[in-house]
Amino acid sequence: GQNIDQPTEMTATEGAIVQINCTYQTSGFNGLFWYQQHAGEAPTFLSYNVLDGLEEKGRFSSFLSRSKGYSYLLLKELQMKDSASYLCAAVGGASGGSYIPTFGRGTSLIVHP
Amino acid sequence: DTGVSQDPRHKITKRGQNVTFRCDPISEHNRLYWYRQTLGQGPEFLTYFQNEAQLEKSRLLSDRFSAERPKGSFSTLEIQRTEQGDSAMYLCASSLSVTGVGETQYFGPGTRLLVL
Repeated sequence: GQNIDQPTEMTATEGAIVQINCTYQTSGFNGLFWYQQHAGEAPTFLSYNVLDGLEEKGRFSSFLSRSKGYSYLLLKELQMKDSASYLCAAVGGASGGSYIPTFGRGTSLIVHP
Repeated sequence: DTGVSQDPRHKITKRGQNVTFRCDPISEHNRLYWYRQTLGQGPEFLTYFQNEAQLEKSRLLSDRFSAERPKGSFSTLEIQRTEQGDSAMYLCASSLSVTGVGETQYFGPGTRLLVL
């Protein structure tokens, strides 16, 4: 089985930096995704990590430690539009030939002025 | 490319009725996934297709749920004899499978179902 844990809610100030943590337990780990989801909308892809380390993409960075079963999403220079739910999804072993991601409950980020 | 589309966007039905949702994936994508998402939860995997073959369906929620992708393009998800507990957002996603590992799934806008 797979277990994904991330905080339910976080708040931050516009212009600040926020780190959203995710821990996972999965058999046959094959990578970790982060998605952003605004209320009532579909999830949109942010990042994918399969190797240890930090991957930077503009204002967003994602980090992975496979040995610790840990990832974080770092958001810099926060903007009001970054208020959304951030979903962590771990990919485990193959199921029917595909690697199905298991999603966490999401972290609701509220950015205030 | 207009992305993944789903129809309808909203559906209200009475308990016991059947409903069918449609998903049109990104045109060159060979894999199509269905998820269910309830309030405050992440997407829950239901089933997926590679081209027209349904390769994983053991996680469909009950035998009232079925999905098809007859020509390897659009897909339908049917729920028979709906129950109030079926009320949720039903998301479709598609991907282009190359190695199978780490393929990015692109989600549609979802169909929000309300069962009265």
